[in-house]
Amino acid sequence: SHVLTQPPSVSVAPGQTARITCGGDNIESKNIHWYQQKPGQAPVLVIYDITKRPSGIPERFSGSNSGNTAILTISRVEAGDEADYYCQVWDSSSDHWVFGGGTKLTVL
Amino acid sequence: QVQLVESGGGVVQPGRSLRLSCAASRFSFSRYGIHWVRQAPGKGLEWVAVISHDGRKIYYADSVKGRFTISRDNPKNTLSLQMNSLRAEDTAVYYCAKDINTYCGGDCPADVWGKGTTVTVSS
Repeated sequence: SHVLTQPPSVSVAPGQTARITCGGDNIESKNIHWYQQKPGQAPVLVIYDITKRPSGIPERFSGSNSGNTAILTISRVEAGDEADYYCQVWDSSSDHWVFGGGTKLTVL
Repeated sequence: QVQLVESGGGVVQPGRSLRLSCAASRFSFSRYGIHWVRQAPGKGLEWVAVISHDGRKIYYADSVKGRFTISRDNPKNTLSLQMNSLRAEDTAVYYCAKDINTYCGGDCPADVWGKGTTVTVSS
């Protein structure tokens, strides 16, 4: 089945821009979704269909897709953005959701 | 506010069974597919299963296929996960999560998640 690869960790200073990548075969042809999960909490959808933001998600969160890599960009990073972030796709060949391994965002 | 509440978790011995429930409120439950997703302690998210709005499409992760059964009762706004032949590696927090759009065939992301229920498989 499809495999999504994320860096285990990303660190950024407050006010800077964080970019979290998600790589996979033919990912440019798939709708990528991103979830934020803070410790002890359920995941929250922050980006769906590559670039769309659910209501209530700050404009600082954006998504893009280039080649074999999807990117979650968080602008003007705040301490409250510190969390684990997961990319996710629907693998139509196996009829499965697939998650990336997750990226821990640390705000320095 | 749209809500999902899981229940039924607990400690169970290997090989035994457990049934999880997910109670939905404040949305048209019968129009949305619902997923189960789990997270082992200190690990990432793992998708478990999905059931379409009408129960006609059901898909499972390979790790649970043949042991777990997802079902729904639309008049009662509830989702279930029957877990048989439990293994230590099934130990996790189990979340139910609702498709963002109506009538998806499993290929939509989830915009509402419950808080989860913990399953521990141990002798």
